[in-house]
Amino acid sequence: GPKVLQIPSHQIIDMGQMVTLNCDPVSNHLYFYWYKQILGQQMEFLVNFYNGKVMEKSKLFKDQFSVERPDGSYFTLKIQPTALEDSAVYFCASSLEGSQNTLYFGAGTRLSVL
Amino acid sequence: QEKVQQSPESLIVPEGAMVSLNCSFSDSASQSIWWYQQHPGKGPKALISIFSNGNKKEGRLTVYLNRASLHVSLHIKDSQPSDSAVYLCAVSEGGGSNYKLTFGKGTLLTVTP
Repeated sequence: GPKVLQIPSHQIIDMGQMVTLNCDPVSNHLYFYWYKQILGQQMEFLVNFYNGKVMEKSKLFKDQFSVERPDGSYFTLKIQPTALEDSAVYFCASSLEGSQNTLYFGAGTRLSVL
Repeated sequence: QEKVQQSPESLIVPEGAMVSLNCSFSDSASQSIWWYQQHPGKGPKALISIFSNGNKKEGRLTVYLNRASLHVSLHIKDSQPSDSAVYLCAVSEGGGSNYKLTFGKGTLLTVTP
């Protein structure tokens, strides 16, 4: 089936540093998402992105967070600066259309902020 | 904000058993309900979705939706060890460019050989 690739699988950084999480979505998909999952808790919506713009963001999407997809390449989540509470697994997803469409997820990037 | 609750938290069954997973949601106007399967170290994978009241069958999977009681269930017939995974219930919200899924915490299913 369609694959979403996330790079890297694990990232360890010091608090205060910048980190960029990369996502290679399904090639013809138009809608992109980031979700955050803290160990033992449910996966929570961060942001969705369409046509080069953030469409909706949750209260978890702090001012230190930003997303972009320059030149139709990787869909990225940047955190600058990072905080201890940013430690989590971040999942990227994409879908062909908006409503009632299947979201395809990557395997996640585990971010550890020390 | 949609709330999604799943039960049980975990379940252990012998191979060949029928598995029943439950999910309740808070908004009767919510759109489709999705079930995802997640194996350790992998991303969630969509299994089946339902929009209308009633049931929907795909292979060994059957899902039942009752909007009046805000409840949906997933049944897995003839369970296999390879079915061992976390099962996530998700409710869709919004439309078009505002579309998103809200997930429950999941049910950890273990099928013993």
